[in-house]
Amino acid sequence: GAGVSQSPRYKVAKRGQDVALRCDPISGHVSLFWYQQALGQGPEFLTYFQNEAQLDKSGLPSDRFFAERPEGSVSTLKIQRTQQEDSAVYLCASSKTGRALHGYTFGSGTRLTVV
Amino acid sequence: AQSVTQLGSHVSVSEGALVLLRCNYSSSVPPYLFWYVQYPNQGLQLLLKYTSAATLVKGINGFEAEFKKSETSFHLTKPSAHMSDAAEYFCAVRASGGSYIPTFGRGTSLIVHP
Repeated sequence: GAGVSQSPRYKVAKRGQDVALRCDPISGHVSLFWYQQALGQGPEFLTYFQNEAQLDKSGLPSDRFFAERPEGSVSTLKIQRTQQEDSAVYLCASSKTGRALHGYTFGSGTRLTVV
Repeated sequence: AQSVTQLGSHVSVSEGALVLLRCNYSSSVPPYLFWYVQYPNQGLQLLLKYTSAATLVKGINGFEAEFKKSETSFHLTKPSAHMSDAAEYFCAVRASGGSYIPTFGRGTSLIVHP
């Protein structure tokens, strides 16, 4: 597609519920990043894929967070047993190459609200 | 290790006035630097980037930024603010080698008064 697509756009989850957030990167983009953006804050790194390989997951806040990109294109971020502190906008970004000299293209994000 | 500091969580200017948004970085290796803009309920859009070529970088919408190694700064400027420039602006840094993961600042909200 022309841009990075994220779905759903909005998600309301009850505390303790599992959620899955989807990211469709630009076709052919090698690198894919997930960020968490709390209200009024900058994006915080969660995890990074190069093709299907998860090269860095150091930003995942707990073992309730899990991300995958099994075929090197679409990625899913899963949050188990959601907590109120998980409420944030989850942003996905992709880049054509690992070096990303042309920058990163971001999706519009998924706004997760845990009630 | 790398980090970004954006001075001022809010900057308020009058329409037509100079825009100056400050960004200072810390990086143990030569950095690549980026400025992104975020409009309400939207993702981040790349304004401009520095990747070790010219130190004065021109971006979209009339914005530009100058890389100053001696000051470890990459401030964003625009000569004349428009109402449509009101948004959140983020500076980001990543290493030119090794990890390609960008680190973002906390953002500066630009408010433009008529």
